[in-house]
Amino acid sequence: EVQLVESGGGLVQPGRSLRLSCAASGFTFDDYAMHWVRQAPGKGLEWVSSISWNRGDIDYADSVKGRFTISRDNAKNSLYLQMNSLRADDTALYYCTKDIFTVVRGVFDYWGQGTLVTVSS
Amino acid sequence: EIVMTQSPATLSVSPGERATLSCRASQSVSSNLAWYQQKPGQAPRLLIYGAFTRATGIPARFSGSGSGTEFTLTISSLQSEDFAVYYCQQYNNWPRFTFGPGSKVDIK
Repeated sequence: EVQLVESGGGLVQPGRSLRLSCAASGFTFDDYAMHWVRQAPGKGLEWVSSISWNRGDIDYADSVKGRFTISRDNAKNSLYLQMNSLRADDTALYYCTKDIFTVVRGVFDYWGQGTLVTVSS
Repeated sequence: EIVMTQSPATLSVSPGERATLSCRASQSVSSNLAWYQQKPGQAPRLLIYGAFTRATGIPARFSGSGSGTEFTLTISSLQSEDFAVYYCQQYNNWPRFTFGPGSKVDIK
């Protein structure tokens, strides 16, 4: 059974940093691209970042480019999101998602339960 | 950026009835269109990708159609567990993946 378990969320002041983690199991992690998708409270879904199986393709939404860094450790079956210079509009539930393909295609076939990031003073 | 719009915002349907949801892209996305279902307090679930291919384990009452800029998700006979919010998402404009604002299906 595929499982994606996010951690690392919490309350943080504007301008500070936070690192999210996603522990994957139930599939061959290094065979698939992975993504982060977020959802602000009561709002819709927003793609944040993607990374291919071999880290060869990495990209970010314009809203987070230059502030967030996605990475993965295939030996640990883990995905990460380093978030710097956090702003109030980064407040959201952050989902770790698996791509249906090896390369970054953007079809999110499995989702974690999310980790909540709240940016507030 | 490709902008996705969905209609209606809310659809009230009785159990057993058919529900039809629409999704429109601001420019052609070919068949690179997915649909997701999200219930309150839960993560989204992939229903359809490639505009019409059902994801693993998705019941046959869910079907997708369309290409280019106009797409439809049809639920042939609504079950109680189908009342949820449905999002369409384009993945043609890699990697600028964009979602629609969602359509809520609630009980009439």
